[in-house]
Amino acid sequence: ELKVEQNPLFLSMQEGKNYTIYCNYSTTSDRLYWYRQDPGKSLESLFVLLSNGAVKQEGRLMASLDTKARLSTLHITAAVHDLSATYFCAAGQIQGAQKLVFGQGTRLTINP
Amino acid sequence: KAGVTQTPRYLIKTRGQQVTLSCSPISGHRSVSWYQQTPGQGLQFLFEYFSETQRNKGNFPGRFSGRQFSNSRSEMNVSTLELGDSALYLCASGGTRGDQAFFGQGTRLTVV
Repeated sequence: ELKVEQNPLFLSMQEGKNYTIYCNYSTTSDRLYWYRQDPGKSLESLFVLLSNGAVKQEGRLMASLDTKARLSTLHITAAVHDLSATYFCAAGQIQGAQKLVFGQGTRLTINP
Repeated sequence: KAGVTQTPRYLIKTRGQQVTLSCSPISGHRSVSWYQQTPGQGLQFLFEYFSETQRNKGNFPGRFSGRQFSNSRSEMNVSTLELGDSALYLCASGGTRGDQAFFGQGTRLTVV
């Protein structure tokens, strides 16, 4: 059974600092997603990673995937307050199908 | 391109009642999957429909059911509501390759 674990679950950081959120998954998966969720809102798609070594960047966020280690990371560079949100990773459980298993989420707070 | 549309956005129901939620996927997407989000259990997969057929199912009781129409719109039904069914219900729209998963705004269901 596929399980996805994120750490840390809570992260408070200062603006301008760098940090990384880790996402481990327990069995083979053909794709890894990262989402952002603001309080009371839905999930905003950030990245989808489809192959080993994949790296994607958007602004101050960069995601990578190591399928051999079953690990994905979301790196935040020079954090700004607007990035405060909860970040979820999710792994696809069945190839080609939309059955996603989510991590617990990382609540990120960026302080001025 | 219009996004994923869920209706209604908010619902308040009484225990024992039933409820139907609707999801219209992105134009051209044939996969619709449903998730339940609660503070205690996080994001959990309910089921996925593809071309009017249920393709995958999560570990929820039979009170939770769904269907998909020929225009790819999907409905989810919960019968005999319980207090624990209070949650944010999210649907995701996906393309035929299964590598995309865009979420709607969600329906917040409160059972009293």
